[in-house]
Amino acid sequence: GAVVSQHPSWVICKSGTSVKIECRSLDFQATTMFWYRQFPKQSLMLMATSNEGSKATYEQGVEKDKFLINHASLTLSTLTVTSAHPEDSSFYICSAREAGLAGREQYFGPGTRLTVT
Amino acid sequence: AQSVTQLGSHVSVSEGALVLLRCNYSSSVPPYLFWYVQYPNQGLQLLLKYTTGATLVKGINGFEAEFKKSETSFHLTKPSAHMSDAAEYFCAVGGGSQGNLIFGKGTKLSVKP
Repeated sequence: GAVVSQHPSWVICKSGTSVKIECRSLDFQATTMFWYRQFPKQSLMLMATSNEGSKATYEQGVEKDKFLINHASLTLSTLTVTSAHPEDSSFYICSAREAGLAGREQYFGPGTRLTVT
Repeated sequence: AQSVTQLGSHVSVSEGALVLLRCNYSSSVPPYLFWYVQYPNQGLQLLLKYTTGATLVKGINGFEAEFKKSETSFHLTKPSAHMSDAAEYFCAVGGGSQGNLIFGKGTKLSVKP
């Protein structure tokens, strides 16, 4: 089945530093990848949609200069949290979808727990 | 525009009892509907999905859901709960032009021995 990996699974960083999270589709080509943020005991909030070779589309209220997304290839998308602050601490989840019908489900990565101290 | 409402943030059942998790949706286009399960500190796993065709959809782990257009519902059921079913369940709607999913707030399922 379709597998999506994320790296790292958890990371602790100091306030003001930048953190990069990788999302990889392991056995399929993902023309579209999505980045979500999940606060404790809450639902997933879509942050941005990225298509390979194109600029990401950010949801309203998400700072594109703070959350840099690069969809460099059909199997890799990265999210960089720049100048991280404690309020950026959260669970970040990516998902990937193959090309084709919009009805294809998204395959989710295992998530990355970010803690900013 | 699309939206999802999950009734009940927390549902508790006894082991062996019926599981019913409610989901209502709103969509201006024919919806694609999904149920995902999330275990603590993990990503989401697809339980089942409805795109077109048969309205009763069977998924993994004995779960099923029925798409009822007239009621704009997609409730998730399982005849007999197992302790391992304890998790967070999310209903999601897709099919919009942007291809993204809109998630409900989630329902935490607890299973009592």
